[in-house]
Amino acid sequence: ILNVEQSPQSLHVQEGDSTNFTCSFPSSNFYALHWYRWETAKSPEALFVMTLNGDEKKKGRISATLNTKEGYSYLYIKGSQPEDSATYLCAFKKTSYDKVIFGPGTSLSVIP
Amino acid sequence: EPEVTQTPSHQVTQMGQEVILRCVPISNHLYFYWYRQILGQKVEFLVSFYNNEISEKSEIFDDQFSVERPDGSNFTLKIRSTKLEDSAMYFCASSEIARIHTDTQYFGPGTRLTVL
Repeated sequence: ILNVEQSPQSLHVQEGDSTNFTCSFPSSNFYALHWYRWETAKSPEALFVMTLNGDEKKKGRISATLNTKEGYSYLYIKGSQPEDSATYLCAFKKTSYDKVIFGPGTSLSVIP
Repeated sequence: EPEVTQTPSHQVTQMGQEVILRCVPISNHLYFYWYRQILGQKVEFLVSFYNNEISEKSEIFDDQFSVERPDGSNFTLKIRSTKLEDSAMYFCASSEIARIHTDTQYFGPGTRLTVL
């Protein structure tokens, strides 16, 4: 059974702090890794799709890195703002025809 | 900006009843998905649909579940005889024809199903 883990489960940071969290996935086969931001009462919003070992993606203050050989991806948020408060989900796909497996999410609260 | 919509936002039903959850995917998208999240648990894949047929389904998607695209715009999930454990948030998603590696999925706001 494929397992995708995320840590920490939840995180509270002060406004302006930078933060990062981890998504771990099986390293034996890799097709793609997705990051989503999910604000309460809204739809999950796609942030990044990562496909190659060493990929780095950036969107504003949020960036992500990928290490497929060791099976992890980091998501970084620079200078956290209250509007960054959300659950951040990663979703792993082993091959193009496998279903996507979601991690449990990291819940981020940014305190003004 | 185009978005995926879902109706109703909340559905309450009695155990054993049939429910139909509706989704309108983004208009030029060709792949459609249903996911669910039971309260406090991970988001789980249910089924993907392309070219008017199921392309993949999980072990959760048993004979009680079916999907349909009845009129070219709606994409529905039917649960024939609901059980208490079907209570969850159900998300629909769509993506453009899946290019290699990208298939970014756009999610709807979800339907909360409560089975009493």
